[in-house]
Amino acid sequence: DAGVTQSPTHLIKTRGQQVTLRCSPKSGHDTVSWYQQALGQGPQFIFQYYEEEERQRGNFPDRFSGHQFPNYSSELNVNALLLGDSALYLCASSLEERSSYEQYFGPGTRLTVT
Amino acid sequence: QKEVEQDPGPLSVPEGAIVSLNCTYSNSAFQYFMWYRQYSRKGPELLMYTYSSGNKEDGRFTAQVDKSSKYISLFIRDSQPSDSATYLCAMDDTNAGKSTFGDGTTLTVKP
Repeated sequence: DAGVTQSPTHLIKTRGQQVTLRCSPKSGHDTVSWYQQALGQGPQFIFQYYEEEERQRGNFPDRFSGHQFPNYSSELNVNALLLGDSALYLCASSLEERSSYEQYFGPGTRLTVT
Repeated sequence: QKEVEQDPGPLSVPEGAIVSLNCTYSNSAFQYFMWYRQYSRKGPELLMYTYSSGNKEDGRFTAQVDKSSKYISLFIRDSQPSDSATYLCAMDDTNAGKSTFGDGTTLTVKP
């Protein structure tokens, strides 16, 4: 049973560009959350998707947007990249009724903005 | 001030020692308390979760929550070199569906 998968593993972009990151949840899970983890810090919640809708959002600007597909996979899009967007982007999946406490994380996508 | 505070360490112990990891928090609405382990260049791995106050044990790991003091702990018994990692505490409001993390404590267990 595959766990949470994310692609790509690494990505290098230039300031002002746009990026799309992808996540496939653990089999049977219906909820996907995205987190940003800067070096030396804990993950920060970006937003959560359930039933193809954004259900919760953290303190991130509108440059960060997402989507969930009917097969529960998800994308994170970041527009107008800033140097400060360089971080590890983590996807976590869960069952909706257990999303507060039982999330399973993928390996992350490391984004470098130059 | 952050909602969740965690001593960054680093913490270095000999193999077989008992390890105590701690977090404090300020948001009294937090109901779920989680501990994750994160190896270098990997995603966090859920170790345990606890609802409200009390203790929970799973093998060598014991989680404690004291809501009156807004203080949580993770104890690791008989620590092993494979326990060397960064340990993250996380907390969630009931039905909020978003976790607030500490910045992690880096643990090294020396053979």
